[in-house]
Amino acid sequence: ILNVEQSPQSLHVQEGDSTNFTCSFPSSNFYALHWYRWETAKSPEALFVMTLNGDEKKKGRISATLNTKEGYSYLYIKGSQPEDSATYLCAFQGYGGSQGNLIFGKGTKLSVKP
Amino acid sequence: GAGVSQSPRYKVTKRGQDVALRCDPISGHVSLYWYRQALGQGPEFLTYFNYEAQQDKSGLPNDRFSAERPEGSISTLTIQRTEQRDSAMYRCASSSTGAGEGYTFGSGTRLTVV
Repeated sequence: ILNVEQSPQSLHVQEGDSTNFTCSFPSSNFYALHWYRWETAKSPEALFVMTLNGDEKKKGRISATLNTKEGYSYLYIKGSQPEDSATYLCAFQGYGGSQGNLIFGKGTKLSVKP
Repeated sequence: GAGVSQSPRYKVTKRGQDVALRCDPISGHVSLYWYRQALGQGPEFLTYFNYEAQQDKSGLPNDRFSAERPEGSISTLTIQRTEQRDSAMYRCASSSTGAGEGYTFGSGTRLTVV
């Protein structure tokens, strides 16, 4: 059974704080690591897809890094804003016959207070 | 279409009835995925298609669940003899190649079995 773990489960920060969360995934058979932003009443929205060890991706104030050898990825948010409040999901994509099967973590729920 | 469209948005059915959930992916997207999402949880994989071929159905909970995509576009997820434990949000997603690409999720169908 492949496990994707995210920590912390939830996070409460003040507007302007910078924050980061962790996604741990299997280090074998790795193909890609996805990050999604999910507001409860909406659909998960793709943030990043990373495939190479050492990859760093950035979108505005949000960035992510990837370490495939040790099986972790960090998501960083610089200067959090209330509109960043959402659940951030990571998902592992492996090689082989089930390449379309994204295995999602349970998410980190971020609340940003004004 | 512009996004992934799912219908119906809400479905309430009596235990023992069959239901069919429809997904219309983004035009031209090769890969189509079905996920189930319990309240407050990340999506859980059910099955996926490349074109009309079902590549992986390992996530379907039992043989009451089936899916098809006969012409490589619209897909239907069918649940026969529904049970209360089938109640969940059923989300469809599509991607252009399925290989390291972010997925676009639909708004989902909220199924309630009473």
